[in-house]
Amino acid sequence: EIVLTQSPATLSLSPGERASLSCWASQSVDYYLSWYQQKPGQAPRLLIYDASNRAAGIPARFSASGSGTDFTLTISSLEPEDFAVYYCQQRRNWPLTFGGGTKVEIK
Amino acid sequence: EVQLLESGGDLVQPGGSLRLSCSASGFTFSRYAMNWFRQAPGKGLEWVSSLCDRGVSTYYADPVKGRFTITRDNSKNTLYLQMTTLRAEDTAVYYCAKDLLIYGSGTPWYFDLWGRGTLVTVSS
Repeated sequence: EIVLTQSPATLSLSPGERASLSCWASQSVDYYLSWYQQKPGQAPRLLIYDASNRAAGIPARFSASGSGTDFTLTISSLEPEDFAVYYCQQRRNWPLTFGGGTKVEIK
Repeated sequence: EVQLLESGGDLVQPGGSLRLSCSASGFTFSRYAMNWFRQAPGKGLEWVSSLCDRGVSTYYADPVKGRFTITRDNSKNTLYLQMTTLRAEDTAVYYCAKDLLIYGSGTPWYFDLWGRGTLVTVSS
């Protein structure tokens, strides 16, 4: 099983600041990685797939990069609605796995 | 409107069974792989099971293998998850989700449409 480790667990930032979230894989997932945003009481929302492709309707302030075992999600300037939990997910191998999540909270 | 709507969640005793349903609308259900996920209270996301467009290929997470069965009825635009021998650790909100791309047209197993979830509580 591919284990995804996200860092940090919590990120405390102010609106307008830049957020960088990391996701490390226990073995290479090539570029088969996605990012999701989840707000309390809501279902996850796909942000990024194939490591760097924004899903439909996702604002340009969300960008992502990486390949192999090291991935990053960047939010260039935090908007109030961006404070949420973010998960990475790999589809390189079965079972599909998620990281433990990074909570982006208001400082 | 493009949406998924789960139903069937309930309070069930350990060892019991439950069937979840996921009704799809607003897209051509039969062309997409479909999936189940769960999220225990206060915890992260966990993949449970996936099913290709025609229902031929199925995939299960180890914790549910042999106890859960994923199926679909493309004539009813509905996905199912039959859960048996339920355990306390199966307690979670269960979500169904649609694959991003039409099956066979690109990289599967990314999920762009999710339902609101249905709560399954396993307790005596």
